[in-house]
Amino acid sequence: GAVVSQHPSRVICKSGTSVKIECRSLDFQATTMFWYRQFPKQSLMLMATSNEGSKATYEQGVEKDKFLINHASLTLSTLTVTSAHPEDSSFYICSARRTSEIEQYFGPGTRLTVT
Amino acid sequence: GQNIDQPTEMTATEGAIVQINCTYQTSGFNGLFWYQQHAGEAPTFLSYNVLDGLEEKGRFSSFLSRSKGYSYLLLKELQMKDSASYLCAVKDSNYQLIWGAGTKLIIKP
Repeated sequence: GAVVSQHPSRVICKSGTSVKIECRSLDFQATTMFWYRQFPKQSLMLMATSNEGSKATYEQGVEKDKFLINHASLTLSTLTVTSAHPEDSSFYICSARRTSEIEQYFGPGTRLTVT
Repeated sequence: GQNIDQPTEMTATEGAIVQINCTYQTSGFNGLFWYQQHAGEAPTFLSYNVLDGLEEKGRFSSFLSRSKGYSYLLLKELQMKDSASYLCAVKDSNYQLIWGAGTKLIIKP
């Protein structure tokens, strides 16, 4: 199989603090990982694409300095939401793709609530 | 611009058949995906079409017409657990996935 995990599954933080979300491919090496955000009743919105060992490519309108992405190994990517605000409250989902494969495997998501 | 259209919501009866349509206008085409997403969970892969025609996988089938920019997902013998959102996504010329807003399917007994 191809299993992707995320940690934590839920997090509540205070406004102004930073939160780190981990995305791991458990049984395969993921050369590419994707970070999505999903607001209630809306579709997935791609935030950034990260390739192992290189800088992430951010989508238009996504602040690089606010959403820090690190893809240091073939099995781990992290998303850090810096100086979080209530409007950053959302469902964050990562996905991973093997080299030369089409399908993306999704993690279970992380629900972030900023108070 | 790039656009993917799906109905917002559909209702069907347990045991029946339902067809969820998806039309797309994208810069290039490198395949169309259908995903199922239960509330509060991440999407799970259902099907992938890159050539015209019908792909059947158990109770689920997916159809593609590239000339019409059209796909549908067909669900047979509906079960209550099929209540979920169904997301259509197209891979464009840059191999980026463009996502539809999803169709919420409500199954009634």
